Amino acid sequence: SQQGEEDPQALSIQEGENATMNCSYKTSINNLQWYRQNSGRGLVHLILIRSNEREKHSGRLRVTLDTSKKSSSLLITASRAADTASYFCATDREGGKLIFGQGTELSVKP
Amino acid sequence: DVKVTQSSRYLVKRTGEKVFLECVQDMDHENMFWYRQDPGLGLRLIYFSYDVKMKEKGDIPEGYSVSREKKERFSLILESASTNQTSMYLCASSLLPTSPLHFGNGTRLTVT
Repeated sequence: SQQGEEDPQALSIQEGENATMNCSYKTSINNLQWYRQNSGRGLVHLILIRSNEREKHSGRLRVTLDTSKKSSSLLITASRAADTASYFCATDREGGKLIFGQGTELSVKP
Repeated sequence: DVKVTQSSRYLVKRTGEKVFLECVQDMDHENMFWYRQDPGLGLRLIYFSYDVKMKEKGDIPEGYSVSREKKERFSLILESASTNQTSMYLCASSLLPTSPLHFGNGTRLTVT
């Protein structure tokens, strides 16, 4: 079963706006990761946040983690058409496996 | 930069055929994984391997097997392909079991 669940399933915004995607999970984690997938390609790792961290930045990306609510959010600021992709969260679970959510499809219109 | 190469981008096979999907990574990673991706179901783990000749079942191993004879190569085998195995197959590798995954570009398999 999938550990992480992203919300919303799809998001459409204009270039320059901010995009926020959320991820909820069920069991305790050591870390949570966000990935991006362009249409028809493999996933690319964006950022990893550990369970003892609350916020992490990488360029235009900001990730927050609230372990009390078992949730994370990915914020993309000043979005560009090139940010159009699917975004997935992944959480680790016992046995050393990453479990992926179903993803959020982001469409950024120029 | 880590490169994970999957041998085919697109593959069309007939029901009952034996299918081999090959994956090679060039960064000496111990850990390799096979996922399948289907609309509405996200990525599901089929098999993974922490070392040469070692394999462990993921969430949906039925109908699949794997082979890891060399550290850099992890093969997924469909013993007798069925139409419900039509999917996008993604191979990945990582330094540690839950460290960031490096993915190949995927193989889109169609079984007719």
